[in-house]
Amino acid sequence: QVQLVQSGAEVKKPGSSVKVSCKASGGTFSSFAISWVRQAPGQGLEWMGGIIPIFDTANYAQKVQGRVTITADESTSTAYMELSSLRSEDTAVYYCASNTDSSSWYSDIWGQGTMVTVSS
Amino acid sequence: DIRMTQSPSTLSASVGDRVTITCRASQSISSWLAWYQQKPGKAPKLLIYKASGLESGVPSRFTGSGSGTEFTLTISSLQPDDFSTFYCQQYDSYPYTFGQGTKLEIK
Repeated sequence: QVQLVQSGAEVKKPGSSVKVSCKASGGTFSSFAISWVRQAPGQGLEWMGGIIPIFDTANYAQKVQGRVTITADESTSTAYMELSSLRSEDTAVYYCASNTDSSSWYSDIWGQGTMVTVSS
Repeated sequence: DIRMTQSPSTLSASVGDRVTITCRASQSISSWLAWYQQKPGKAPKLLIYKASGLESGVPSRFTGSGSGTEFTLTISSLQPDDFSTFYCQQYDSYPYTFGQGTKLEIK
């Protein structure tokens, strides 16, 4: 059974960067459609971007484009999301999520979430 | 971007009730729609994919329908475990936007 395990909580200063990892166990990582979704406190879900490792091309939401970089390392079955120029509004739980059955973009498994707090 | 609008935002119901949540897309998304359930402090859980496909392990009281711009999620007989927040997501075109959520509360 495929699992996604994310890195731990982070506290960052405004203007700095954060890099969150998401390691997959089981399944064919290269063909997964991996999304990064964030959720600010008390708010809804926001799709930030995604990547299919075998194609190695990421797509991003315009709201965060220019500040976010999503990558995947097939050798370690790990995806990464790096967000730069952090602002207080970036305080959120960040989830990686994946489709393990096809390269479709709905997500049948989710990581446990990583809390990122941006505060001076 | 495709805008996804859910209604209602909050729904009060009782155990055993039949409830329906609507999700409307700002343009046609064919059947490329998923529904998720989220409980406080937890990651979302997939319920429905491709508008009406029931994810493995999800109870049959959850039913999805619709195509184009209008979709519904129906729960045929509410169970105590169902009181949570539900989100729709389109995966027709980037960015794969979510609805704002529907919180299902106990009446």
